[in-house]
Amino acid sequence: SQTIHQWPATLVQPVGSPLSLECTVEGTSNPNLYWYRQAAGRGLQLLFYSVGIGQISSEVPQNLSASRPQDRQFILSSKKLLLSDSGFYLCAWGETYNRYYYGYTFGSGTRLTVV
Amino acid sequence: DQQVKQNSPSLSVQEGRISILNCDYTNSMFDYFLWYKKYPAEGPTFLISISSIKDKNEDGRFTVFLNKSAKHLSLHIVPSQPGDSAVYFCAASSYSRRETSGSRLTFGEGTQLTVNP
Repeated sequence: SQTIHQWPATLVQPVGSPLSLECTVEGTSNPNLYWYRQAAGRGLQLLFYSVGIGQISSEVPQNLSASRPQDRQFILSSKKLLLSDSGFYLCAWGETYNRYYYGYTFGSGTRLTVV
Repeated sequence: DQQVKQNSPSLSVQEGRISILNCDYTNSMFDYFLWYKKYPAEGPTFLISISSIKDKNEDGRFTVFLNKSAKHLSLHIVPSQPGDSAVYFCAASSYSRRETSGSRLTFGEGTQLTVNP
């Protein structure tokens, strides 16, 4: 069965420090992968998506970046965190069922607090 | 431009009664809709979906209704249980998007449902 792993679960980082969040999936090949952020009291904002190794599309200009070094690995990074980067970060992979999207499977999320 | 809108940030109902969560969309290209449920500090989990060729889909206590002419869908939970208390997200996708641009889902802002015992 397919599973998605995301870590760490919580992170407290000072302003200006670097960031690396990792997401890996198992049981599927060539998945579409996504990074979302949920700020406090807000909806889900798409940050990046990837349709294959080395292929990254950015939805929102910011000081975050994403990389996909392996088929089942998706990494969210920052060189210098801002206070506004605080939020709940979610990794997801998308599965197609017939011509329709069956939907996303989300990771358990990372609560990032920038202090 | 918020293409998927959930205008009610919160909803409170009594246990055993019906919960109705609403969602409106503006993009007429959307043809597949999903509902996700999210508990605090956890990732959202898939609940139920509906394609635009249907106007109703039922799964146990959960039913989703789609009104294409009004660009409106709703999630009905009957009977509501305290364990249903969570944030519910409506999401939408379009066939053309799935074919060309990573098949992204567009999410609403979410509705916090509280079911009181």
